[in-house]
Amino acid sequence: EAGVAQSPRYKIIEKRQSVAFWCNPISGHATLYWYQQILGQGPKLLIQFQNNGVVDDSQLPKDRFSAERLKGVDSTLKIQPAKLEDSAVYLCASSLGRWAGELFFGEGSRLTVL
Amino acid sequence: TQLLEQSPQFLSIQEGENLTVYCNSSSVFSSLQWYRQEPGEGPVLLVTVVTGGEVKKLKRLTFQFGDARKDSSLHITAAQPGDTGLYLCAGGTNYGGATNKLIFGTGTLLAVQP
Repeated sequence: EAGVAQSPRYKIIEKRQSVAFWCNPISGHATLYWYQQILGQGPKLLIQFQNNGVVDDSQLPKDRFSAERLKGVDSTLKIQPAKLEDSAVYLCASSLGRWAGELFFGEGSRLTVL
Repeated sequence: TQLLEQSPQFLSIQEGENLTVYCNSSSVFSSLQWYRQEPGEGPVLLVTVVTGGEVKKLKRLTFQFGDARKDSSLHITAAQPGDTGLYLCAGGTNYGGATNKLIFGTGTLLAVQP
């Protein structure tokens, strides 16, 4: 079974530029999550989708971050404009059904903002 | 805001030693999960505990959920270099019974020296 796919793996941009990350969850997983992880810290939930609807985006900085999940499958997370403090690994995860149970994570997209 | 504090933050030990990692909160969780994350990878689930006082063993790893479901511990016996990684606890809460939200702890970085 294919795991959670993310791209790009690495991205370096200047502050005030924009960037987009893509995630393809495990087939059939209804719930999709985007987490932000600062080096050596625990992941922080940015947004949680149930199919293509948003369940929780309370910690998403909506003035610069946006996310969508087209047709309840793939998802894109965008940052515009980027700030230095956005440097982090952006992890996508998916889980089966409404009850989170086990989260399956992708390898992450590492963003460096200069 | 629900917070999960882990201690210690960093731990460097010799192969064969025992160690315990703690995960504490003032909030009650419906479930508690432990993940391990290796460099450049996403977290991988080790165990889920759901009952207060529950103890689960996974080879040399012993997990315990506190009686009040506010804290948890992970004990590793005879640590090996392969145990090296970032250990994350994650507490589950319900969104009015419809869906589950997972909050990650601050993380414990473990290095086992051969």
